[in-house]
Amino acid sequence: QVRLQESGPGLVQPSETLSLTCSVSGVSISSGNYYWVWIRQTPGKGLEWIGSFFYTGSASYTPSVKSRVTISVDTSKSQVSLKLSSVTAADTAVYFCARGRDGYNGVDYWGQGTLVSVTS
Amino acid sequence: QSVLTQPPSVSEAPRQRVTISCSGSTSNIGNNAVNWYQHLPGKAPKLLIYFDGLLPPGVSGRFSGSKSGTSVSLAISGLQSEDEGVYYCASWDDSLNGWVFGGGTKLTVL
Repeated sequence: QVRLQESGPGLVQPSETLSLTCSVSGVSISSGNYYWVWIRQTPGKGLEWIGSFFYTGSASYTPSVKSRVTISVDTSKSQVSLKLSSVTAADTAVYFCARGRDGYNGVDYWGQGTLVSVTS
Repeated sequence: QSVLTQPPSVSEAPRQRVTISCSGSTSNIGNNAVNWYQHLPGKAPKLLIYFDGLLPPGVSGRFSGSKSGTSVSLAISGLQSEDEGVYYCASWDDSLNGWVFGGGTKLTVL
């Protein structure tokens, strides 16, 4: 059974770096059949794709955060990480980790999400 | 503002049928397939429909998807109280070169 579980600080100070981890179980994180995705949900903008990490080691990001974001995978820990620098209140959101699969036209499994508030 | 447009809410009585619409443009729905996700309270979002109208294993046949041009629809028949939640459409966008979502439609079973 595939399970994705996000974790990280619920509060981040403005201008600092938001760091989240997604623990993946029930599937090989290094499989070439999947890619790993971060999505966030804000009250104002709804669901927003942040970026994807592919088994080749490459990543793609949405233009609005591209200069501030890094998604990476630690295969030894079966974890996907998200780092977003220079955060502002606009980055306050529920952050979801998800699995992407070409045969399913994108995301086929999601985590439950974790709320991150950017506030001083 | 979401790139894909969905009605904020729909409601219908138990055992009835409801449809949820999602409209986009030629850079997303018009040129790419759509997925639908169900987000029930306190749970992780769940894939309901992929490639416009296909059901993943384990998803009830009460759910169906259709597409016409730059719009898609999700239909739920035989409504049950456990269907109450928020439904999202999603598609690849060629202009953004990334995934875009609808704003979500909250389904209430009366």
